[in-house]
Amino acid sequence: NAGVTQTPKFRVLKTGQSMTLLCAQDMNHEYMYWYRQDPGMGLRLIHYSVGEGTTAKGEVPDGYNVSRLKKQNFLLGLESAAPSQTSVYFCASSSFLGAEETQYFGPGTRLLVL
Amino acid sequence: RKEVEQDPGPFNVPEGATVAFNCTYSNSASQSFFWYRQDCRKEPKLLMSVYSSGNEDGRFTAQLNRASQYISLLIRDSKLSDSATYLCVPNSGSARQLTFGSGTQLTVLP
Repeated sequence: NAGVTQTPKFRVLKTGQSMTLLCAQDMNHEYMYWYRQDPGMGLRLIHYSVGEGTTAKGEVPDGYNVSRLKKQNFLLGLESAAPSQTSVYFCASSSFLGAEETQYFGPGTRLLVL
Repeated sequence: RKEVEQDPGPFNVPEGATVAFNCTYSNSASQSFFWYRQDCRKEPKLLMSVYSSGNEDGRFTAQLNRASQYISLLIRDSKLSDSATYLCVPNSGSARQLTFGSGTQLTVLP
């Protein structure tokens, strides 16, 4: 049981390049999330999904797209990377988000955009 | 007012000390609360959940004051391994309203 995994662990992009971050979970969770974390700031929600085939915008969705074609995978895409997207990206999943549910996080992807 | 406010620290305490962090939140609809710990360059991991007035787990005690909208985390008999950043997370039950505080940094010194 690997929990939540993220690929890649680290990436350097040039401005304007595109890339896709992959998140996979093996806990059969319905909910999945993408966050970014910047120095001195809390995790900010980019996009989330409440089930296969559904996605929704979070707090900071601009410049990102997501897809949830399979229940276990949640992809985060950057179509044209910008230096402001340099950050650490965390994926998380939960079985639901009621009052008693918690989120399980992946190890993170460190992205540097030059 | 920020949705979640935490003293960023750093808190530097000697091993064996008792230390407490406070967290204030603005969303009165928050039903439950989580404390996560995050080690340097690692992912957040759940430390404690709080659903009523408080919770205790070994050396860790969380207390909730709904009237004043704050939650505290008390760590007794600090260990070197407690050094981390502690994130306060109010939960209103909505995926868009799980708001993470920026964290309080704790360093336990030998």
